[in-house]
Amino acid sequence: EAQVTQNPRYLITVTGKKLTVTCSQNMNHEYMSWYRQDPGLGLRQIYYSMNVEVTDKGDVPEGYKVSRKEKRNFPLILESPSPNQTSLYFCASSPRWSNEKLFFGSGTQLSVL
Amino acid sequence: DAKTTQPTSMDCAEGRAANLPCNHSTISGNEYVYWYRQIHSQGPQYIIHGLKNNETNEMASLIITEDRKSSTLILPHATLRDTAVYYCIVRPPQGGSEKLVFGKGTKLTVNP
Repeated sequence: EAQVTQNPRYLITVTGKKLTVTCSQNMNHEYMSWYRQDPGLGLRQIYYSMNVEVTDKGDVPEGYKVSRKEKRNFPLILESPSPNQTSLYFCASSPRWSNEKLFFGSGTQLSVL
Repeated sequence: DAKTTQPTSMDCAEGRAANLPCNHSTISGNEYVYWYRQIHSQGPQYIIHGLKNNETNEMASLIITEDRKSSTLILPHATLRDTAVYYCIVRPPQGGSEKLVFGKGTKLTVNP
């Protein structure tokens, strides 16, 4: 089944403890992206990648890192999480970066205490 | 800043058509209009997209004005399961920045 898989679904951590949220797609998509969603603010883009080893900042990249070493995986790294990064995170992918629909993962609810 | 403007919320009676407007007055000639929806904290789901012609699929219809400055998503016979937040976004073609802005969307409530 074609899908975007995020893990974990829920994560509770403490300030400063490095964490990684994984994202994997099995559709050979070139474009991948991370979003965070907070009440009243809608979806905001954190980082995106147009292909392997090509990444760029979205609207809210501060405090996050990403890597795209292989096409299927696009992990989101929080080196030193802070409480303001408590949010619902979504990963998405699309075949190429032009005129094609985004497929979203089920989301990761992160709480930083 | 969002490139689109949508009403914050709308209501619709079950079985009636839901018409969701979107303003994208700064859209460029080669940018596409996409619609997604998000049902309570689930991952957003693609609905439909278009460039300048009206489009229809099994989920909805998309009407784009001739000047392309606005569009309307039509759910022809809304059901309770269509209650969701609907996002209208503008997506550039290949070669443009892929920094996508979703905005806050329209919260559609379908009432029995």
